[in-house]
Amino acid sequence: GENVEQHPSTLSVQEGDSAVIKCTYSDSASNYFPWYKQELGKRPQLIIDIRSNVGEKKDQRIAVTLNKTAKHFSLHITETQPEDSAVYFCAATDSGAGSYQLTFGKGTKLSVIP
Amino acid sequence: DTEVTQTPKHLVMGMTNKKSLKCEQHMGHRAMYWYKQKAKKPPELMFVYSYEKLSINESVPSRFSPECPNSSLLNLHLHALQPEDSALYLCASSQVAAGDYEQYFGPGTRLTVT
Repeated sequence: GENVEQHPSTLSVQEGDSAVIKCTYSDSASNYFPWYKQELGKRPQLIIDIRSNVGEKKDQRIAVTLNKTAKHFSLHITETQPEDSAVYFCAATDSGAGSYQLTFGKGTKLSVIP
Repeated sequence: DTEVTQTPKHLVMGMTNKKSLKCEQHMGHRAMYWYKQKAKKPPELMFVYSYEKLSINESVPSRFSPECPNSSLLNLHLHALQPEDSALYLCASSQVAAGDYEQYFGPGTRLTVT
């Protein structure tokens, strides 16, 4: 089955700086890579995703890059703000049986210091 | 309506109790998921229903019994739970169509087993 490694486990940045979180995956058949943000006591919320036929995707201050050859993908947050503080999870699909089974990384706790 | 709802928000139960968690979505999604999330850990997949049929059971103990009465509803019946089953239980839903992978999470039920 799929295995997703995520680094770092914690990350502290000054407000306005950039933050980068990296993930690697093991299953070359995986074709969808979402990133979820989870604030304390809240549900995971999709913030950006990328499919295997695209190398990069950007949405305002957030971007994701995918290197299929190396089997790694990264989340980039620019101009960080205190409200970006949360736990971020990367994930990869292991599709089958008509549904999409997400395998999550262990998470990165991002703290943005004002 | 792009929301997944879950009831109750909080549940405290004894080890001999029987209770049920409920999940509902009206987005026309035909895949629904139960996840268990312990503190500071990623969501852990328990069950997947695709077209109201159980397609994935991740070796979950029989004290957890899922049910999908129709395409909008998903239940998780709980019986004889252990204190270590205390966690946040998340429901999610998604399309099954190829290329439409996004999973929408509900707010979760915070379960405490005493």
